[in-house]
Amino acid sequence: DAGVIQSPRHEVTEMGQEVTLRCKPISGHDYLFWYRQTMMRGLELLIYFNNNVPIDDSGMPEDRFSAKMPNASFSTLKIQPSEPRDSAVYFCASSPRQGSTYNSPLHFGNGTRLTVT
Amino acid sequence: AQSVTQLGSHVSVSEGALVLLRCNYSSSVPPYLFWYVQYPNQGLQLLLKYTSAATLVKGINGFEAEFKKSETSFHLTKPSAHMSDAAEYFCAVRVSGAGSYQLTFGKGTKLSVIP
Repeated sequence: DAGVIQSPRHEVTEMGQEVTLRCKPISGHDYLFWYRQTMMRGLELLIYFNNNVPIDDSGMPEDRFSAKMPNASFSTLKIQPSEPRDSAVYFCASSPRQGSTYNSPLHFGNGTRLTVT
Repeated sequence: AQSVTQLGSHVSVSEGALVLLRCNYSSSVPPYLFWYVQYPNQGLQLLLKYTSAATLVKGINGFEAEFKKSETSFHLTKPSAHMSDAAEYFCAVRVSGAGSYQLTFGKGTKLSVIP
């Protein structure tokens, strides 16, 4: 089990540029989550998918953010155009469906540290 | 809405001393509760979870947590701190039937262990 794989680990870009973050969930997991972590706001859920379908995107900050999951093994989070306030660590997590879905833990990737200058 | 509050953004203990990290939840229905640990430049790792089977839950690395409904608490403890326990710890809650499967995290408590 390779775990959740995120790329790149670090991304530095200039304001106004497009940024794409990538995630490969653990094989067989039905749920995929995107979180953002900042010192000020902690861990915030941006969006999550079930079987590749977006279920709750109420945490997406604004229209500059979009997420897709074209298949069970790949998801992207795109920011266009990027702004300095988007600087944060972005985590992808996946979760299996084990009996009662609500007690299934999330398995996190190592995150992408985004810096927008 | 579900939420968790972690008391103390930073806790320092001496090596060998008791570790106590506090978490209180807010939920109108029985919650599912989790503790995660985050080491520098890494993602979050599951320490333990409460799923109503037992109020005292044992996790990895010698940690345990006790669910107390009357106090709406789920505090994390370890009898004897080790240098390797220095990390940030997050309490999280999920409520069944809330219409969303999201896991809501507390702000985190950074644990320092003094040699």
